[in-house]
Amino acid sequence: QQQVKQSPQSLIVQKGGISIINCAYENTAFDYFPWYQQFPGKGPALLIAIRPDVSEKKEGRFTISFNKSAKQFSLHIMDSQPGDSATYFCAASVNQGGKLIFGQGTELSVKP
Amino acid sequence: EADIYQTPRYLVIGTGKKITLECSQTMGHDKMYWYQQDPGMELHLIHYSYGVNSTEKGDLSSESTVSRIRTEHFPLTLESARPSHTSQYLCASSASGSMGNEQFFGPGTRLTVL
Repeated sequence: QQQVKQSPQSLIVQKGGISIINCAYENTAFDYFPWYQQFPGKGPALLIAIRPDVSEKKEGRFTISFNKSAKQFSLHIMDSQPGDSATYFCAASVNQGGKLIFGQGTELSVKP
Repeated sequence: EADIYQTPRYLVIGTGKKITLECSQTMGHDKMYWYQQDPGMELHLIHYSYGVNSTEKGDLSSESTVSRIRTEHFPLTLESARPSHTSQYLCASSASGSMGNEQFFGPGTRLTVL
């Protein structure tokens, strides 16, 4: 069974703090790991993605850390802002162009 | 903002009715997808298409059907709606080749079957 397990289910962080969301996978054939951000009433939108040949990718306040041996990857949001409050989904696919397998989602709330 | 559209945005309908959820994209993407998502929950792939006249069932079994007669259009049909079909339905599209697998999502259709 191809699965991506995401934790925590919900997260509350103070403004300016660091938000960390973790994902673990089983299929070693996965080679594309995106994170999607979804606001209420909207469809998910790609936030940042990584391929397994690098251990970290940073875009602004968002960083993906990737541990191939542990089959885990995580999203770090630095200096979290109330506008970051949303549901975040990790995902994985084989051959980049393959179907995406989504994690269960994390509802992030950043308190002012 | 991605150029992918879904109509209607909200639909409340009685049991046994036939419904079609529309999805269109103007990006020329070959690949299109339908996901089912309960509020705040994970996305489950129910149908996908890698091109015109190509459709496949996804990982979650669904009583719905899809068609792909034109590149830009990927409608989903339920022949006889039931309360168990109440959910949010998200359509997405992505390009082929070296563009990777970024999927662009529409805003979703929230379906309620009474």
